[in-house]
Amino acid sequence: AQSVTQLDSQVPVFEEAPVELRCNYSSSVSVYLFWYVQYPNQGLQLLLKYLSGSTLVKGINGFEAEFNKSQTSFHLRKPSVHISDTAEYFCAVFSGNTPLVFGKGTRLSVIA
Amino acid sequence: DAGITQSPRHKVTETGTPVTLRCHQTENHRYMYWYRQDPGHGLRLIHYSYGVKDTDKGEVSDGYSVSRSKTEDFLLTLESATSSQTSVYFCAISAASRTDTQYFGPGTRLTVL
Repeated sequence: AQSVTQLDSQVPVFEEAPVELRCNYSSSVSVYLFWYVQYPNQGLQLLLKYLSGSTLVKGINGFEAEFNKSQTSFHLRKPSVHISDTAEYFCAVFSGNTPLVFGKGTRLSVIA
Repeated sequence: DAGITQSPRHKVTETGTPVTLRCHQTENHRYMYWYRQDPGHGLRLIHYSYGVKDTDKGEVSDGYSVSRSKTEDFLLTLESATSSQTSVYFCAISAASRTDTQYFGPGTRLTVL
């Protein structure tokens, strides 16, 4: 069965520092990859997605992610974080006929 | 924002009682989903629908049933609530394919005492 591993459950980072949130998946077939963000007391919203084409995907709010097929990874990066980026981030994978599978989430805390 | 509402937004109930949560969309999207969110587990799919009267089970469907009699409404029913079903429940929709972006509702916080 498809699985998604977010390697860090919590990531504290100082404001204006860079951040990387890591995501690995298990599928060996074609995949579609997503990053969603959840701000406190809200539902999830899409940050970015990879369906095909360029392996570097740019999303909203200055985030980007790189699809690495050989490493089965889809890490999320931002060069300079803001207080407003404090949220929980979820990686998700769709492959074959299985429904979208979410990772357990990474809580990003930006420290002033 | 996608037009998705969930009702109720908060509910406290007792073990053994039936509970129905409603998801309503104004986007005319084909797919609708019910997830539960628990600390340390992320989001887990309960059931989803790919059209009126067409539904399928997700990863954690035991103890839950769903119905979709109209495009815009997707109901989640706990026939006999248990404390393990205390959670935050999210509805989501997507347009034409399961690879399309999913748009999430605001969530329903359910507490089963």
